[in-house]
Amino acid sequence: DQQVKQNSPSLSVQEGRISILNCDYTNSMFDYFLWYKKYPAEGPTFLISISSIKDKNEDGRFTVFLNKSAKHLSLHIVPSQPGDSAVYFCAASGEEYGNKLVFGAGTILRVKS
Amino acid sequence: DAGVTQSPTHLIKTRGQQVTLRCSPKSGHDTVSWYQQALGQGPQFIFQYYEEEERQRGNFPDRFSGHQFPNYSSELNVNALLLGDSALYLCASSWSPGGQPQHFGDGTRLSIL
Repeated sequence: DQQVKQNSPSLSVQEGRISILNCDYTNSMFDYFLWYKKYPAEGPTFLISISSIKDKNEDGRFTVFLNKSAKHLSLHIVPSQPGDSAVYFCAASGEEYGNKLVFGAGTILRVKS
Repeated sequence: DAGVTQSPTHLIKTRGQQVTLRCSPKSGHDTVSWYQQALGQGPQFIFQYYEEEERQRGNFPDRFSGHQFPNYSSELNVNALLLGDSALYLCASSWSPGGQPQHFGDGTRLSIL
């Protein structure tokens, strides 16, 4: 039972353009969402998060949008840079679930120069 | 400021053997969680340790056990290894059992022959 889904296994974007990564969840008890970036041979690195009381959070080139009614969130990267090429994981947590993170399967982002 | 450190980096075992993986949390963090990441999938929660006790557990058999020491470092033990236990094992730490974001180490790659 996949509670967090990233339906696009990969995404290719030209340098300087916008990258949009999508994530859907099924469990309405999730109230906190995070995006992690992972390079090969490294652990996931925290990027940005959003609480369910907000619909948008911005940090530099990264913006996360949350649509609770659709149970959907997205990560926008503007402008995309070659160094952004990595695997991006969406994760969700909820107070009822303690601190555990439920991850999607990830999306491979390739930024072409 | 030292981040989360894990050892060893790589490990090769045979079926039926036992293995111990180690993790030191980020400075200032007292809660450690363990995740298993199979190839092509997102990390899956194994369990969480806080105050030297297992606080939360995911859907993993009793062959997976852990320990947390007074200095907050942690071990993951897996007994009776199966081929399906081959994966990247990630340790994450946080400043409290409910604290986010969790910070991840670079993982231990376990291969079962």
